[in-house]
Amino acid sequence: AQKVTQAQTEISVVEKEDVTLDCVYETRDTTYYLFWYKQPPSGELVFLIRRNSFDEQNEISGRYSWNFQKSTSSFNFTITASQVVDSAVYFCALSERETSGSRLTFGEGTQLTVNP
Amino acid sequence: KAGVTQTPRYLIKTRGQQVTLSCSPISGHRSVSWYQQTPGQGLQFLFEYFSETQRNKGNFPGRFSGRQFSNSRSEMNVSTLELGDSALYLCASSLVTGGNYEQYFGPGTRLTVT
Repeated sequence: AQKVTQAQTEISVVEKEDVTLDCVYETRDTTYYLFWYKQPPSGELVFLIRRNSFDEQNEISGRYSWNFQKSTSSFNFTITASQVVDSAVYFCALSERETSGSRLTFGEGTQLTVNP
Repeated sequence: KAGVTQTPRYLIKTRGQQVTLSCSPISGHRSVSWYQQTPGQGLQFLFEYFSETQRNKGNFPGRFSGRQFSNSRSEMNVSTLELGDSALYLCASSLVTGGNYEQYFGPGTRLTVT
């Protein structure tokens, strides 16, 4: 069965610091998809990124970057030069191959607080 | 382009009652999934509907049911409400079914059972 673990429950940083959110996953499938979502206080989950299991190329998008390593089953997310508006709960999620439909398995979430 | 909409946003019900929540997906999206979010259990998958058929189901009792209409709008129903059903219910839509498609979430319905 699939599982996602986010060991960091809460992280608090000062504005402009870099912060990395950790995500470790478990799956028996060779084809799977990994996601990061952000949940601000308003409650709506905001899609940030999707990665396929066969694409280990890391990505940078503005202040965000992602580090996907199959060898360690990790999919970490880094915010560079954090801002107060980055304060939210961040979820890592896993979806297995297409026979599982769109079902997402979420981690416990990491509450990120960026202080001015 | 309008996002995923959910109605109502807030709901207070009494134990034993039933409730129906509604979700309208992004225009053109045919897959709708439902999730329950609680402080204790986190985000848990309820079920997914695609082309009016239940595609996948999570580990929830039969009191939780859903359906999808021909315009892709979806409803979920919870019968005989229990205090533990108090949660944020999130709906997500994607273009088609399959893990390789992004899912976009609505603002959720906050259900309180007293």
